[in-house]
Amino acid sequence: SQQGEEDPQALSIQEGENATMNCSYKTSINNLQWYRQNSGRGLVHLILIRSNEREKHSGRLRVTLDTSKKSSSLLITASRAADTASYFCATDSGNTPLVFGKGTRLSVIA
Amino acid sequence: DAEITQSPRHKITETGRQVTLACHQTWNHNNMFWYRQDLGHGLRLIHYSYGVQDTNKGEVSDGYSVSRSNTEDLPLTLESAASSQTSVYFCASSPGGLDYGYTFGSGTRLTVV
Repeated sequence: SQQGEEDPQALSIQEGENATMNCSYKTSINNLQWYRQNSGRGLVHLILIRSNEREKHSGRLRVTLDTSKKSSSLLITASRAADTASYFCATDSGNTPLVFGKGTRLSVIA
Repeated sequence: DAEITQSPRHKITETGRQVTLACHQTWNHNNMFWYRQDLGHGLRLIHYSYGVQDTNKGEVSDGYSVSRSNTEDLPLTLESAASSQTSVYFCASSPGGLDYGYTFGSGTRLTVV
């Protein structure tokens, strides 16, 4: 069963705009991770945020975590056509493998 | 450079046949995982291993088996392929311990006819 659920399922924006994706989960976690998947490829790890962290940045990526609401958001600033991909959140609850959500499909239109 | 490779990239097989998908990593990672990806379901865990001779069942393990005889390889075997096992299969690895991400292979697209 899925732990994380991304919202929206699909998002279409213009190049240069910001893209925000959300993830909700159900149980306590050690960390939450975001991955990107280009069409026909494997997942690529983007960023990890620990349960005691509230915000983390990596280049144009900003991730927030609210453990009281069991939710996280991924913000991609100044989107580019190359950001077109599916984005997945995954939760690490400690002794079990990562549990992935169903993903958000992002389309960035040039 | 270290890598994780899956083979074959594409395979078509017949119902009832035994199929083995290969996964090989040169990261020297202790942990290895098999997921399947289907539309509407995201990634679901099939089997995983935390080291040599260690294997564990995941959420959707029925009809699948794995073995871990060395650090580098975790082959996934479909004992008797069924049409419901048509999917894209991803292998992943991680070092183990807290706060590590996974490194994924490029996937194997399996079609059971």
